[in-house]
Amino acid sequence: DTGVSQNPRHKITKRGQNVTFRCDPISEHNRLYWYRQTLGQGPEFLTYFQNEAQLEKSRLLSDRFSAERPKGSFSTLEIQRTEQGDSAMYLCACNAQETQYFGPGTRLLVL
Amino acid sequence: DQQVKQNSPSLSVQEGRISILNCDYTNSMFDYFLWYKKYPAEGPTFLISISSIKDKNEDGRFTVFLNKSAKHLSLHIVPSQPGDSAVYFCAASAYSGGGADGLTFGKGTHLIIQP
Repeated sequence: DTGVSQNPRHKITKRGQNVTFRCDPISEHNRLYWYRQTLGQGPEFLTYFQNEAQLEKSRLLSDRFSAERPKGSFSTLEIQRTEQGDSAMYLCACNAQETQYFGPGTRLLVL
Repeated sequence: DQQVKQNSPSLSVQEGRISILNCDYTNSMFDYFLWYKKYPAEGPTFLISISSIKDKNEDGRFTVFLNKSAKHLSLHIVPSQPGDSAVYFCAASAYSGGGADGLTFGKGTHLIIQP
């Protein structure tokens, strides 16, 4: 158990709908990352928070993607107006002892 | 432009033998390297890491070797066990823990342990 939980584990949505994913570290990890993984690829870095500050967001895939970490604990990743190409696994990771530990991921399928 | 490359999409090894997974990188700023193991429908699980000040790090059955001049690292698993069958990802960063740029991953190698 990495201490990172993600909800929901699976999400099926129709093209054009908005979706939101949540990441909860068990303890107060100050650094939190979001990644996307598509079939046959490794995880791709999207954005980074240090406490509640989003210090890197230029790698978010488009302006339809946004992330928040309002109180420096849990984080949300929102995709607006989903497209079929957004179908992927979305992973959250947190730092402990200078290593990134990943949650179980949210599998998104856009129909 | 892939900065971390795992050129073997799959590798089949007999149970009890040594598994060697390879990884090459192109970014000379990378100083910290990690290996993750991933089962289908789960998040990556951290296995072992190494910083550029070392050339070897060992943890139980897992050993990572780093050749900085060749920009190459490898993961050795000895002896290989059926539960080791999974996809293995190599990841790299310029900063310990990933820093503001996150980790850069290779495409993974699917390791299959044959009984």
